[in-house]
Amino acid sequence: DAKTTQPTSMDCAEGRAANLPCNHSTISGNEYVYWYRQIHSQGPQYIIHGLKNNETNEMASLIITEDRKSSTLILPHATLRDTAVYYCIVQAYYSGSRLTFGEGTQLTVNP
Amino acid sequence: EAQVTQNPRYLITVTGKKLTVTCSQNMNHEYMSWYRQDPGLGLRQIYYSMNVEVTDKGDVPEGYKVSRKEKRNFPLILESPSPNQTSLYFCASIPGGGSTDTQYFGPGTRLTVL
Repeated sequence: DAKTTQPTSMDCAEGRAANLPCNHSTISGNEYVYWYRQIHSQGPQYIIHGLKNNETNEMASLIITEDRKSSTLILPHATLRDTAVYYCIVQAYYSGSRLTFGEGTQLTVNP
Repeated sequence: EAQVTQNPRYLITVTGKKLTVTCSQNMNHEYMSWYRQDPGLGLRQIYYSMNVEVTDKGDVPEGYKVSRKEKRNFPLILESPSPNQTSLYFCASIPGGGSTDTQYFGPGTRLTVL
């Protein structure tokens, strides 16, 4: 069973904020929420991660609900280069854990 | 430069001809992993390794073998490739030592089995 669910696709206008949702209702207490993105067929690229507090870095912000069952990745000012597939995964301590990516969300930023 | 490298980047082969895809990382990472990516199926983990001589199956291990004789290398072996193993393959590594580790991915290997 998939550990996360995401919409298949989303569109966003260039310069506007892109808000990508992710549901992870079965997340365990020791699992972090990670976001990666994949541009065309390149290797996935790390964006941000969090446990229960909201996080922000130079690329994006991550909002995690209080019950930790869902999260939202925010790209504050989307550009055409942000067009990619975005993956939300839950990841515990790496020892002995499989990592399941799912299908992700295809974000298309339109001019 | 810190990186994960894969070779070859592109490979066309025939059914049954053994092949190896190499993966190497220069970051002294403990954890390494192989994924395959197919249209509509996302990234699926094939095998992973938590450290030297320690490997374990991911979600789709059938038809693949791996080895981890040294920390930096994690080759993926297809003893008898079949057309259903035509896919885009990614190797990844994680530093290890804590639950906040991020994955570093290689550039990918596009394999076609005829």
